[in-house]
Amino acid sequence: GENVEQHPSTLSVQEGDSAVIKCTYSDSASNYFPWYKQELGKRPQLIIDIRSNVGEKKDQRIAVTLNKTAKHFSLHITETQPEDSAVYFCAATKGGGTSYGKLTFGQGTILTVHP
Amino acid sequence: GAVVSQHPSRVICKSGTSVKIECRSLDFQATTMFWYRQFPKKSLMLMATSNEGSKATYEQGVEKDKFLINHASLTLSTLTVTSAHPEDSSFYICSASTGYTEAFFGQGTRLTVV
Repeated sequence: GENVEQHPSTLSVQEGDSAVIKCTYSDSASNYFPWYKQELGKRPQLIIDIRSNVGEKKDQRIAVTLNKTAKHFSLHITETQPEDSAVYFCAATKGGGTSYGKLTFGQGTILTVHP
Repeated sequence: GAVVSQHPSRVICKSGTSVKIECRSLDFQATTMFWYRQFPKKSLMLMATSNEGSKATYEQGVEKDKFLINHASLTLSTLTVTSAHPEDSSFYICSASTGYTEAFFGQGTRLTVV
């Protein structure tokens, strides 16, 4: 089955700096790669996603890049703010139809943004 | 976006009893729902895929007799933790996809078995 590795496990930055989280996946058939932000005791919230036919996607301060050849994808957060502090998870799936919900998650990255 | 509602949000039960968790898609029909388990400070692990009108598909290592899943309608899936023990204490989260879109998660259920 799919295996997703995520690094780093913890990331500490100063407010205004950029943060980068990287993930690799094992199944070349995976075609959908979402990123989630989870606050303590809450549900994961989708912050950005990318499909395998796209190399990069940006939404304001957040961007995701995908390298299908190397089977890795990365989350980039610019101009970080204290409210960005949370746990971030990458995920992958070889979805189609409702199977986009069957996700394999990375181990998570605890991001701390210091004021 | 689509809304997935999960209840209860917290439950405490005695060892040996059973607990039922409900997952509802409020504004869309979900032929497939997913159940995840999350230990403290850990990632989400897929437990099973819940299929409307048929048996659930369990991931390797998940005890199907311990975690009973029923998907009786297009908007409701239930997870029953049978004969719960302290090691079953965890955060359980369901999700559903509308189709060619993102997965939407329920609020999660914090189960504590005492």
